[in-house]
Amino acid sequence: QLQLQESGPGLVKPSETLSLTCTVSGGSISSSSYYWGWIRQPPGKGLEWIGTIYYSGNAYYNPSLKSRVTISADTSKNQFSLKLSSVTATDTAVYYCASVPGVVRWDIDYWGQGTLVTVSS
Amino acid sequence: QSALTQSRSVSGSPGQSVTISCTGTSSDVGGYNYVSWYQQHPGKAPKLMIYDVSKRPSGVPDRFSGSKSGNTASLTISGLQAEDEADYYCCSYAGSYTSVFGTGTKVTVL
Repeated sequence: QLQLQESGPGLVKPSETLSLTCTVSGGSISSSSYYWGWIRQPPGKGLEWIGTIYYSGNAYYNPSLKSRVTISADTSKNQFSLKLSSVTATDTAVYYCASVPGVVRWDIDYWGQGTLVTVSS
Repeated sequence: QSALTQSRSVSGSPGQSVTISCTGTSSDVGGYNYVSWYQQHPGKAPKLMIYDVSKRPSGVPDRFSGSKSGNTASLTISGLQAEDEADYYCCSYAGSYTSVFGTGTKVTVL
């Protein structure tokens, strides 16, 4: 069973870059069976899909965030990462990393516990 | 990519059935059979309840069922139980290896 754990700063200043890492255990991010994704949820609001990455390194982004987002993977550490640039208060949210069994289906079968990132000076 | 539209809240007494709708477009819900539903209790990560429109992951009670017609998907909870009180989100594949979530529905057990 996969386990995912987010890590990174809980506080980021406006205009700076938010950086988070997801460490995967119980499976390999080099698996051809999975995509790996990031989702966020502002306090008291709904879920928003940020983007996904495949083991090949190909990344796919929500069009509304595409200009500011980069998702990358480090197979040697079994981790994948999120960078979101030029953040504002509206980027304050709980950020989740997740696994998507995307070869034969498209949904999120495992989620990290989530990490709250607050954008504030 | 606009969020899928869900009713804000639904409620029912224990044992009753409730249905949550999720309306999108032909570019998401209507275009693919990759609709999933997630249950989220306060302060917790979402949990997969339905995938591929109507399939249940192992361990999810058969009280939960999903369907789709055109651009609208639905989640039905039969035999409502107290522990079913939570927020529910639909999600649909939207092409190019991305997805879009619904606005969320709060289910209240009276």
